[in-house]
Amino acid sequence: DTAVSQTPKYLVTQMGNDKSIKCEQNLGHDTMYWYKQDSKKFLKIMFSYNNKELIINETVPNRFSPKSPDKAHLNLHINSLELGDSAVYFCASSQGLAINEQYFGPGTRLTVT
Amino acid sequence: GENVEQHPSTLSVQEGDSAVIKCTYSDSASNYFPWYKQELGKGPQLIIDIRSNVGEKKDQRIAVTLNKTAKHFSLHITETQPEDSAVYFCAASMGNQFYFGTGTSLTVIP
Repeated sequence: DTAVSQTPKYLVTQMGNDKSIKCEQNLGHDTMYWYKQDSKKFLKIMFSYNNKELIINETVPNRFSPKSPDKAHLNLHINSLELGDSAVYFCASSQGLAINEQYFGPGTRLTVT
Repeated sequence: GENVEQHPSTLSVQEGDSAVIKCTYSDSASNYFPWYKQELGKGPQLIIDIRSNVGEKKDQRIAVTLNKTAKHFSLHITETQPEDSAVYFCAASMGNQFYFGTGTSLTVIP
């Protein structure tokens, strides 16, 4: 029944490692997003994909690379993790670009030590 | 790009009182204004939204008003209940860009 799911929910890793977060939506939406929420709760968009094509790529280090194998999945790969990457990462989906409700996943809390 | 400001950052109200959260935006091209509620440990969830061709929208105890001339919109929660306690985000959207406000932590005191 879960609309937007993310795995893992928690991720603890050391600096310099490479990690991935997976996202899947079963709503039939054509657009998916990745957001970063810092410790002050600021929500900042990182990437947006529409029909598997990258639409928005905000100022994000190129250590972050999204990959969309199909419209229902948008994974986030992070290379050479840094302390400042610690945050909660949310995946979201919508029908159409930024004109309709976005459905958010439960979030992945990433802690880099 | 768009700049969305949200006030206050924290808000405490007694149960049964009303709560108002205000947002301003900078780009007159923005045309979609949703409000999201984020409970602890969960992702944001849409509670109400309004489009630029509408001035006000209401859904039970929640209402949103939009003043396009002044470029501000507000969330009104009446008869607050403890389960309304959460972080609320406004957002403004134009084209394919979506901009969130900085959030308001609402606490409803029983």
